[in-house]
Amino acid sequence: NAGVMQNPRHLVRRRGQEARLRCSPMKGHSHVYWYRQLPEEGLKFMVYLQKENIIDESGMPKERFSAEFPKEGPSILRIQQVVRGDSAAYFCASSPYTGNTEAFFGQGTRLTVV
Amino acid sequence: GQQVMQIPQYQHVQEGEDFTTYCNSSTTLSNIQWYKQRPGGHPVFLIQLVKSGEVKKQKRLTFQFGEAKKNSSLHITATQTTDVGTYFCAGNTNAGKSTFGDGTTLTVKP
Repeated sequence: NAGVMQNPRHLVRRRGQEARLRCSPMKGHSHVYWYRQLPEEGLKFMVYLQKENIIDESGMPKERFSAEFPKEGPSILRIQQVVRGDSAAYFCASSPYTGNTEAFFGQGTRLTVV
Repeated sequence: GQQVMQIPQYQHVQEGEDFTTYCNSSTTLSNIQWYKQRPGGHPVFLIQLVKSGEVKKQKRLTFQFGEAKKNSSLHITATQTTDVGTYFCAGNTNAGKSTFGDGTTLTVKP
């Protein structure tokens, strides 16, 4: 049973480009969470999704950021028109149930905006 | 909204010394989880506490959940260099998402 898979592991984008981060949850998990971690800081919740539904996006910036978890395929975190401040590690976690259970984290995508 | 405060932010200890990190929530929790993140790595689940006043042990690690289910602590006895990393607590309500503390980064001097 493969763990949570995130790709790419490292992503470099120029300012103004788009970044697409992918997350394949563990088999059998239908709940996906995205977190952002700035250097030397903690994990900041961004969005919580179930298949085809956004349950909680209270941590998502109002502009340029979007997330989806389609019926088929991985969850996608999309950042449009990236800026230097978007540089961070983005972690995805999955769980079989709601947040009241262990979450399994992927290895993260390190986004660098140059 | 729910806030989870974690202290201290950094802790430097000599190998063999004890270490404790504390987590406090602004709201009553249904459960709390602890994770460890090694430098350059990703968070790895350590344990979940559910019951009021619960205490759990994993070798040299002791986890406690407060009676009011609003605070928790992680204590490491006789630290080793393999304990280095950042320890996060994550508070969960029935709303379905986890609120992470900012973490305590532990460094251990041999």
